[in-house]
Amino acid sequence: QSVLTQPPSVSAAPGQKVAISCSGSSSNIGKNYVSWYQQFPGTAPKLLIYDNDKRPSGIPDRFSGSKSDTSVTLGITGLQTGDEAVYYCGTWDSSLSGVAFGGGTRLTVL
Amino acid sequence: QVELQEAGPRLVKPSETLSLTCAVSGTSISSHYWSWIRQAPGKGLEWIGYIFYSGSTTYNPALESRVSISVDTSKNQFSLTLTSVTAADTAVYYCARVASVTRMDFWGKGAAVTVSS
Repeated sequence: QSVLTQPPSVSAAPGQKVAISCSGSSSNIGKNYVSWYQQFPGTAPKLLIYDNDKRPSGIPDRFSGSKSDTSVTLGITGLQTGDEAVYYCGTWDSSLSGVAFGGGTRLTVL
Repeated sequence: QVELQEAGPRLVKPSETLSLTCAVSGTSISSHYWSWIRQAPGKGLEWIGYIFYSGSTTYNPALESRVSISVDTSKNQFSLTLTSVTAADTAVYYCARVASVTRMDFWGKGAAVTVSS
C-alpha cells in the first residue's frame, strides 16, 4: 500500500483532456517536489514532469502538472491513442526516509 | 546522450544473491546520484536505493538489511547486490540517473530477474 494514492484507471476520448490525481500527506507531497513518469507496456518509465510542474526537454506542452497542498495533478490535453500508458507520481517521503511512488494510473483513450 | 544498461544473471535461486551492474555512458558517473528501482510483475514501482559517486548510499528501509549499492568510477558503472532472495524479489530491475532526490531523468531498459530453483 503506497503512501501516494492514485486512481487505478482513467479514460477519455481522443482529443479530450484528462486529469490524474496523486494524493499524499505533509511528509511527502506537502514538503517535497513531485515527478510524474509515463510507462508503456514492456518499457522503462520515462520522466514526464518534474518539480511539480516542469517539463523535460522534448515533452509536449499537452502534459502539465500542478500542486495543491498535499496533492498533485497531471493534466493531459488533446488526448491521443499514443498516450495510453500507466502514469506514476513519485516523491521523497520524510517519514519513510525514501522515495515513494504512487500505485500507478492506467490511462485508456477510448 | 545519456544511456544506462543493466547487466547480470536473469535467474537466481532462492536464498542466493542477486547481482546487477548498470553501465553508464554519455556522462560521467561522478556528476550525479544513481538509483535502482524495481517492478514486480503486474505491480508498481519500488525504489531500492541511491548512491553518490563518493560511495554515500541511501536505501529503502524495507530492503536495507539485504541490499547494497556500490559504484566503480573507473568503469563508469554502479552495482546492486540483494542477498537472501525469495520469489518476492522477482522483478524487472531498473537503474536510473538521479537529477534530484525526487527526479530520475534517465532510465535503463531494465533487467528481468526471476528467483526460482
